Amino acid sequence: DIQMTQSPSSLSAAVGDRVTITCRASQSISTYLNWYQQKPGKAPKLLIYAASSLQSGVPSRFSGSGSGTDFTLTISSLQPEDFATYFCQQTYSTLLFTFGPGTKVDI
Amino acid sequence: EVQLVQSGAEVKKPGESLKISCKASGYTFTSYWIGWVRQMPGKGLEWVGIVYPGDSDTRYSPSFQGQVTISADKSISTAYLQWSSLKASDTAMYYCARRSLAATLNNYYYYYMDVWGKGTTVTVSS
Repeated sequence: DIQMTQSPSSLSAAVGDRVTITCRASQSISTYLNWYQQKPGKAPKLLIYAASSLQSGVPSRFSGSGSGTDFTLTISSLQPEDFATYFCQQTYSTLLFTFGPGTKVDI
Repeated sequence: EVQLVQSGAEVKKPGESLKISCKASGYTFTSYWIGWVRQMPGKGLEWVGIVYPGDSDTRYSPSFQGQVTISADKSISTAYLQWSSLKASDTAMYYCARRSLAATLNNYYYYYMDVWGKGTTVTVSS
């Protein structure tokens, strides 16, 4: 199985900050990597797919990059509504997707 | 509107059986895989498995193989996740989500979960 790790596990930031979250795969997954945002009590929401493609309706302050085993999610200017937990997900294994452990972004 | 509507919260005792549902609307149910994701209290997201309603092809995460059964009834556009004998450790929120794909010019396919249900809380306690 492909294992996913994320760092940091949590971070504190202020409105307007640039935030970067890292995700690492246990083997090369090309660009088969998605990012999701989850707020307390809510279902996850897709932000980025294929490592760098922005899902329709997602603000452009979110961006993704990387390939192979190392990936990043960047929020260029943190907004109040961005305080949430962020998960990466590999889809290299076509029907056995796995998630990273999550990164909580709070004030 | 494309949506997945999940069944309501459940409170069960250890050893009981349970089947929760995920009803799709607004798209062709038989054309998209539906996945199930577990989230234990205060924890991250875990991939349970996935079903293709078109032919009921089903795949499980090794961690959940033999522990749950995933199915779909295309006549009513509904996917299911079921347990034959619940354990306290099954207590969690369970989400269903639609697997979509994006194709590239050179015929690569990228998969992602673009539509999610609101989740079903399952509590197992004696």
